[in-house]
Amino acid sequence: RKEVEQDPGPFNVPEGATVAFNCTYSNSASQSFFWYRQDCRKEPKLLMSVYSSGNEDGRFTAQLNRASQYISLLIRDSKLSDSATYLCVVVDRGSTLGRLYFGRGTQLTVWP
Amino acid sequence: NAGVTQTPKFRILKIGQSMTLQCTQDMNHNYMYWYRQDPGMGLKLIYYSVGAGITDKGEVPNGYNVSRSTTEDFPLRLELAAPSQTSVYFCASSYRPSGSTYEQYFGPGTRLTVT
Repeated sequence: RKEVEQDPGPFNVPEGATVAFNCTYSNSASQSFFWYRQDCRKEPKLLMSVYSSGNEDGRFTAQLNRASQYISLLIRDSKLSDSATYLCVVVDRGSTLGRLYFGRGTQLTVWP
Repeated sequence: NAGVTQTPKFRILKIGQSMTLQCTQDMNHNYMYWYRQDPGMGLKLIYYSVGAGITDKGEVPNGYNVSRSTTEDFPLRLELAAPSQTSVYFCASSYRPSGSTYEQYFGPGTRLTVT
């Protein structure tokens, strides 16, 4: 069973659209959650952390449901520059190592 | 401040050859990691290090070795290259994880093909 599973994608949306990605994790002891962004042929970069109460960063909203072991990312008013692969990332509770478990990623293409 | 740098950017190896992927960070991070990313797949941890002189295996260590003689450098060694090692390799570093601070900073990657 995979640690982190994401929507298969790809998502192709017009500029200005709202799009949502989902992610589920298998380890109920997981503590910390993140969304990373990876541009084509580039390295992953942290997009935002995901907090229990939900959090926003501009056009991006992240939600966490611990009971369902489910994380989501909502992008409003999509821009061409949002085209990338979005990686769901989970860290186990009490992990002093800081090991991150990555999902396969969901590819987003925003077209004009 | 260059962050995390990796060399080479690209490499083609023949089966059975050896090579070392270089990784250097200038952020004084104690924690460093090596991942591989196969097409359409998530990143898998190969090896990690929590400080100079200390390394340990990740999820997929077979066929690889590492060393950490300084805080800055964390090279990854492939001894006998196999086609299954064709992948993109990312090096990353971080501060000591605590609370919700688990951000890892990634290098640009090395694209390796073994034929």
